[in-house]
Amino acid sequence: DTGVSQNPRHKITKRGQNVTFRCDPISEHNRLYWYRQTLGQGPEFLTYFQNEAQLEKSRLLSDRFSAERPKGSFSTLEIQRTEQGDSAMYLCASSPLRSRGIHNEQFFGPGTRLTVL
Amino acid sequence: EDKVVQSPLSLVVHEGDTVTLNCSYEVTNFRSLLWYKQEKKAPTFLFMLTSSGIEKKSGRLSSILDKKELFSILNITATQTGDSAVYLCAVSNTDKLIFGTGTRLQVFP
Repeated sequence: DTGVSQNPRHKITKRGQNVTFRCDPISEHNRLYWYRQTLGQGPEFLTYFQNEAQLEKSRLLSDRFSAERPKGSFSTLEIQRTEQGDSAMYLCASSPLRSRGIHNEQFFGPGTRLTVL
Repeated sequence: EDKVVQSPLSLVVHEGDTVTLNCSYEVTNFRSLLWYKQEKKAPTFLFMLTSSGIEKKSGRLSSILDKKELFSILNITATQTGDSAVYLCAVSNTDKLIFGTGTRLQVFP
C-alpha cells in the first residue's frame, strides 16, 4: 500500500501526559499537512511542511503542540501536557508539488484517534 | 474570516434517488474547491474544481463550480447504500484546505 500511513491508529492517554503521532506520506510527496477533526465537524488545518520546512502554523496550534519533519519524509506531531479538549482525530495528508501556483489534491491517511481521559 | 458552508447538514433518501449537495464559500486567495467522501475513516478524494462551469464527472457523481456566485454542487444519481457517508467540501486558500462541516447522507434500501 503506497498511501499515507499514520501510527498509532488509536491512543488513549491520561490528562497531563505527552503523546506523539507519526505520519508517513506518499513517497515523493513534497508537502505534508496536519489537520484535527472533532465529532460532527470538518477537519481543521493545524500546520504544513514543504520538504523539511514548516511553512505555516494555525493559531489552533498552541505552544503544547509541536510538529517536525526532520528529513523531509515522515513527520511527527507531539502534544505535551494533554488536555481533554485535545481529544480528536488527527489527520495527516500529503500532496505533490508540481509547479508554482497550481494546487494539488491532498490525500489523507487513516488518522490517529486520541482520547484524553 | 474564511468560511465554507455546506447544506443540507443531513439528508436521508432511498436507493435510486438523486441528491444534490451544496457548498458555498467566502475565502480570500481562492485556488480550488475539493470534494471528499468520508466514511468511518479518513476523507477520500472525489473531485478538484478550479474553473467555473466545467463539470467533473465520475460514474454517478458529478460536480460543478460557480466562481462568480461562490458555490459548488455535488450531484449523485441513482444513489446506492454504499453512498452513505459524510461529504466534505473544502476550499484551497494558498496552501491549506478550509473545510465545511459536511453533509451526512444516508441511503436506505
